[in-house]
Amino acid sequence: AQSVAQPEDQVKVAEGNPLTVKCTYSVSGNPYLFWYVQYPNRGLQFLLKYITGDNLVKGSYGFEAEFNKSQTSFHLKKPSALVSDSALYFCAVRDPNDYKLSFGAGTTVTVRA
Amino acid sequence: EPEVTQTPSHQVTQMGQEVILRCVPISNHLYFYWYRQILGQKVEFLVSFYNNEISEKSEIFDDQFSVERPDGSNFTLKIRSTKLEDSAMYFCASSAGGGSEKLFFGSGTQLSVL
Repeated sequence: AQSVAQPEDQVKVAEGNPLTVKCTYSVSGNPYLFWYVQYPNRGLQFLLKYITGDNLVKGSYGFEAEFNKSQTSFHLKKPSALVSDSALYFCAVRDPNDYKLSFGAGTTVTVRA
Repeated sequence: EPEVTQTPSHQVTQMGQEVILRCVPISNHLYFYWYRQILGQKVEFLVSFYNNEISEKSEIFDDQFSVERPDGSNFTLKIRSTKLEDSAMYFCASSAGGGSEKLFFGSGTQLSVL
């Protein structure tokens, strides 16, 4: 069975400071890992994914994530957060043999001006 | 960017009534999904659909639920006899492929069962 944990319900940072949203996963085999963002009253929007290769993946809006196999983590990062980054962030994992994408509980990011 | 569209945005129904939630996936996509999000909880997988049949479903997707792609463009989720606990935001998604392909999500239908 595949699962995702996002240990923090909320993350608050000041604008211009680095932002990290944590994610750990559990899956048999090599995982496909994703980050999605949800703004109020909107659907989930894709940010980035890790399939294979370079452990550091870059995505939309200046976000990046680092895959760490030994720690089974896939933390989302942004070097300099913006107020507009305030949203709900979801980590997700997919076993390559499955159709479903399993989501974490989500982390609410608040960036204060 | 292409979009997945869902209608209605809000649906209110009485317990025991049937509801149909509608989705128009991205036109060249082959894989279709329904997810739901109960207020304050995580996004939960319901069902995936490929090649005109269910490819995977969760334990939530019991006999009260069904999906259909009636005309090659729409993708519907039917709940036959709604329960209070079916109240949630329902998201439709589609992808061009399986595996590593990203999912595109609609804006959701907020279902309220009274």
